[in-house]
Amino acid sequence: KQEVTQIPAALSVPEGENLVLNCSFTDSAIYNLQWFRQDPGKGLTSLLLIQSSQREQTSGRLNASLDKSSGRSTLYIAASQPGDSATYLCAVAFGNEKLTFGTGTRLTIIP
Amino acid sequence: EAGVTQSPTHLIKTRGQQATLRCSPISGHTSVYWYQQALGLGLQFLLWYDEGEERNRGNFPPRFSGRQFPNYSSELNVNALELEDSALYLCASSQGQGVNTDTQYFGPGTRLTVL
Repeated sequence: KQEVTQIPAALSVPEGENLVLNCSFTDSAIYNLQWFRQDPGKGLTSLLLIQSSQREQTSGRLNASLDKSSGRSTLYIAASQPGDSATYLCAVAFGNEKLTFGTGTRLTIIP
Repeated sequence: EAGVTQSPTHLIKTRGQQATLRCSPISGHTSVYWYQQALGLGLQFLLWYDEGEERNRGNFPPRFSGRQFPNYSSELNVNALELEDSALYLCASSQGQGVNTDTQYFGPGTRLTVL
């Protein structure tokens, strides 16, 4: 069964710290992997999309890496800010038809 | 550029009724995806429409159905509502056929409450 796992479920860090969110998936034959952000009760905002042929993508303070052989991706957030507080979701395209989501990591940045 | 829009924002129904949720994709996008996010659960894929056709369906009963119109907007219908259908329903759109290359852009969702 193709699954996506995110650990930990929740994380609290002081403002200004760098942090890493983890995502693991069960099948290395993927098309791509995306990281999303979800604010409470709201829709999803796409942060980064990594194609299967890529190793990493960067956008501002965010850097996402992909290691297909180990079935892992990390989202690195530099110099965290209170506005980064949200739930971060990892989603994998195992096939062309849909995204399979992890259950997310709820991140709280402490001012 | 306008994003993905969904209506209504909130919907309250009673058990056994039918619910209709609507989604308008970003201009130029032909694919529409529906997801369910129930409390405490991750996003579960419901349906994928492209060019008016249903391309894929998640593991949901037949009382979950939908359609895509010629202008690429979409409707999700849920018949014979059950309490566990209470969830945030998210719609997403993308340019191409499938998720292999294109980012999905999500709408704000419709919060369905079944009493």
